[in-house]
Amino acid sequence: GENVEQHPSTLSVQEGDSAVIKCTYSDSASNYFPWYKQELGKRPQLIIDIRSNVGEKKDQRIAVTLNKTAKHFSLHITETQPEDSAVYFCALLESGTASKLTFGTGTRLQVTL
Amino acid sequence: DTAVSQTPKYLVTQMGNDKSIKCEQNLGHDTMYWYKQDSKKFLKIMFSYNNKELIINETVPNRFSPKSPDKAHLNLHINSLELGDSAVYFCASSQDWGSAFFGQGTRLTVV
Repeated sequence: GENVEQHPSTLSVQEGDSAVIKCTYSDSASNYFPWYKQELGKRPQLIIDIRSNVGEKKDQRIAVTLNKTAKHFSLHITETQPEDSAVYFCALLESGTASKLTFGTGTRLQVTL
Repeated sequence: DTAVSQTPKYLVTQMGNDKSIKCEQNLGHDTMYWYKQDSKKFLKIMFSYNNKELIINETVPNRFSPKSPDKAHLNLHINSLELGDSAVYFCASSQDWGSAFFGQGTRLTVV
């Protein structure tokens, strides 16, 4: 199956700074890339997604960029706030199937005051 | 209105027991999943069903048996529970080529 590498595994930033999390993958035919946020003790929740026909998507303070040639995609959070502290997962839908969403290993983001 | 609901939320049981976790979605999605999240927070797919048909079985021991009576339900039965089965189990659903919506999780502790 597909291997999704996610870096860094932990990230600490000061409030107001930006945070960037990057994922790389190997299957060039993958075409759907969601990002999830999981707060402590809660379920993963979709925060933004991107399909392979676009290179960037933005929603207020969060944005996702996709480089299909290099096979990596990144999550950018600007003006971070304490409530952004959580574990973030990248994911992708493996090609050839509508039914396998594979997750990265997660990044624990800590936003300090 | 909970979109994906699973029960129970917590499950503490002894080694060797058999237990079930239930999941229901009211989103009208065609695909349902079971994921296992271990203590390191890795989310690993276990099973995927599409319209009640098993699509993916990711090298899960056959002590784990999913059952989908209809496309809105996907239950997970676990036989002969082992210590290593302790984890949080998430049910999820999605429409084809879309993102997954997760249930609240079931924290299984085997003692």
